[in-house]
Amino acid sequence: AQTVTQSQPEMSVQEAETVTLSCTYDTSESNYYLFWYKQPPSRQMILVIRQEAYKQQNATENRFSVNFQKAAKSFSLKISDSQLGDTAMYFCAFMKHAQGGSEKLVFGKGMKLTVNP
Amino acid sequence: DTAVSQTPKYLVTQMGNDKSIKCEQNLGHDTMYWYKQDSKKFLKIMFSYNNKELIINETVPNRFSPKSPDKAHLNLHINSLELGDSAVYFCASSQGLRRLGPNYGYTFGSGTRLTVV
Repeated sequence: AQTVTQSQPEMSVQEAETVTLSCTYDTSESNYYLFWYKQPPSRQMILVIRQEAYKQQNATENRFSVNFQKAAKSFSLKISDSQLGDTAMYFCAFMKHAQGGSEKLVFGKGMKLTVNP
Repeated sequence: DTAVSQTPKYLVTQMGNDKSIKCEQNLGHDTMYWYKQDSKKFLKIMFSYNNKELIINETVPNRFSPKSPDKAHLNLHINSLELGDSAVYFCASSQGLRRLGPNYGYTFGSGTRLTVV
């Protein structure tokens, strides 16, 4: 079974600074996908970024980028130029390659990020 | 133009009651899911359906019965509610990994906060 570990339960950062959220995972699968989801106080689950394990290039989405270390099974999220709207719970998630409804997300316990003005 | 809509958003009920949560998606996705987020914010899959067929049933008590009348709808019925059922229940949909594209990811509904008193 796959497991996802987010070891930092909570972090705070000043606006405009850079912050890195850590995530490690354990799997014996070779073909899988990794995601970061954001959950603001509104409760909505929002996809921030995703990475396919077969891609060596780290994914980037505007101010969000990942550091994917496949051998170390590490998938950290870097948020540059933090904004107040980045305040949220952040969840790292794993999905092994599957089809036909078996695409299951396995989540870490989440990390609460607070961006201070 | 809501992509995945759940009703109701809030549900307060007494122990022993039976309740339903409805979910509809207008994205044309083949797969729909129910996830449960407990009081510690941990998210875990409960069920998945692919084209109305149950695919994943993640050791959920049989008091929980999902029903998918068509691929755009997935409802969750809960019998004999218990205090421990209090949680946020998220419906989600995806187009499946076989159609993996640059925007692949789940689309989540806004959640239903169920409180059993």
